[in-house]
Amino acid sequence: EDQVTQSPEALRLQEGESSSLNCSYTVSGLRGLFWYRQDPGKGPEFLFTLYSAGEEKEKERLKATLTKKESFLHITAPKPEDSATYLCAVQGNQGGKLIFGQGTELSVKP
Amino acid sequence: EPEVTQTPSHQVTQMGQEVILRCVPISNHLYFYWYRQILGQKVEFLVSFYNNEISEKSEIFDDQFSVERPDGSNFTLKIRSTKLEDSAMYFCASSRTSTNEKLFFGSGTQLSVL
Repeated sequence: EDQVTQSPEALRLQEGESSSLNCSYTVSGLRGLFWYRQDPGKGPEFLFTLYSAGEEKEKERLKATLTKKESFLHITAPKPEDSATYLCAVQGNQGGKLIFGQGTELSVKP
Repeated sequence: EPEVTQTPSHQVTQMGQEVILRCVPISNHLYFYWYRQILGQKVEFLVSFYNNEISEKSEIFDDQFSVERPDGSNFTLKIRSTKLEDSAMYFCASSRTSTNEKLFFGSGTQLSVL
């Protein structure tokens, strides 16, 4: 069964304090691993798609990496506006649906 | 940037009543989805829709649920007889293709069943 586990559940950082979020997954034939940002009361907002082990993608203070078993979302020198829940999802070869993890709630204090 | 729009943003209904949640996907997208998120839980897949038919559905999507694309722009989710456990945030999403393609999500409809 395809499964996604994210850790930690919650992360509190001071502004400028870099850290990483983890996403462990098991999937039958990975087609893509997706990172989304979700603000309270809003829908998930797309950040990155990673397709194969070793791939990396960057956007502003965020960098996503992928291995055969997990993905990391690295946040460098975060700002308060980076506070949100970060969701990881995988798409396997069983169709187009996304399987989501439970998310990491990030809080960045000034 | 184009976006997926959902109406209403909040829906309150009595148990046993029918509700219809509405979505306008991005205009050049061909694949449409409904997901839901019960408070404090994961975002869960409900159904995918392509070429006017369901392409995939989850165990959650039982006979009480149905989807329809009544015209060229709207995509709806109907729950025939709502239950307390149907209370959740329902998200519509769309994509150009079915694989390797990012999904664009709407802001959701918060459904409360009393």
